[in-house]
Amino acid sequence: QQQVKQSPQSLIVQKGGISIINCAYENTAFDYFPWYQQFPGKGPALLIAIRPDVSEKKEGRFTISFNKSAKQFSLHIMDSQPGDSATYFCAASKGAQKLVFGQGTRLTINP
Amino acid sequence: DGGITQSPKYLFRKEGQNVTLSCEQNLNHDAMYWYRQDPGQGLRLIYYSQIVNDFQKGDIAEGYSVSREKKESFPLTVTSAQKNPTAFYLCASSSDSGSYNEQFFGPGTRLTVL
Repeated sequence: QQQVKQSPQSLIVQKGGISIINCAYENTAFDYFPWYQQFPGKGPALLIAIRPDVSEKKEGRFTISFNKSAKQFSLHIMDSQPGDSATYFCAASKGAQKLVFGQGTRLTINP
Repeated sequence: DGGITQSPKYLFRKEGQNVTLSCEQNLNHDAMYWYRQDPGQGLRLIYYSQIVNDFQKGDIAEGYSVSREKKESFPLTVTSAQKNPTAFYLCASSSDSGSYNEQFFGPGTRLTVL
């Protein structure tokens, strides 16, 4: 019940396209859902996060969509660019408790 | 300049040796974490600490030890008991005073066993 399942494992998108990464969780007590971006050889960086009181949050080209009833949330990257090529991790937590991470998605944007 | 620093960036160890990885933060965060990342894999929690002089095992604590004598420091020792220590090690911290775990990561240490 503590797991966060992330899909797909890898994703290839053409430049200018929309990248979509999905995560599903079981624990209905989770109330914080961040996404991290990691470039090779670097630490993950917090990209965007959402609380369950809203269904969508947008920051620039990055949008989180949240479906509380389905226990799913997703990251959408609009107008994907080669510089967006990285590994993306979703995560979830209850309050200030430790984060539970998804397995990661390796995103490649073809020029 | 606020943030999390990890040193060294690269570390080489001979089999049978203990090594200590450094993690320091000047964000005044209460909680600190250590993760292990293997190539193409996700993040696995080794140890975490929510307050000075206290820490808890994560999912893969065997072969590792930590200490938390100061709020800003959380060193990780990889002991000779860790059978496969070659990996990328990440330290993170979070405030814990808020209502959610906004966690920030350091740049990582790549450990290679020769």
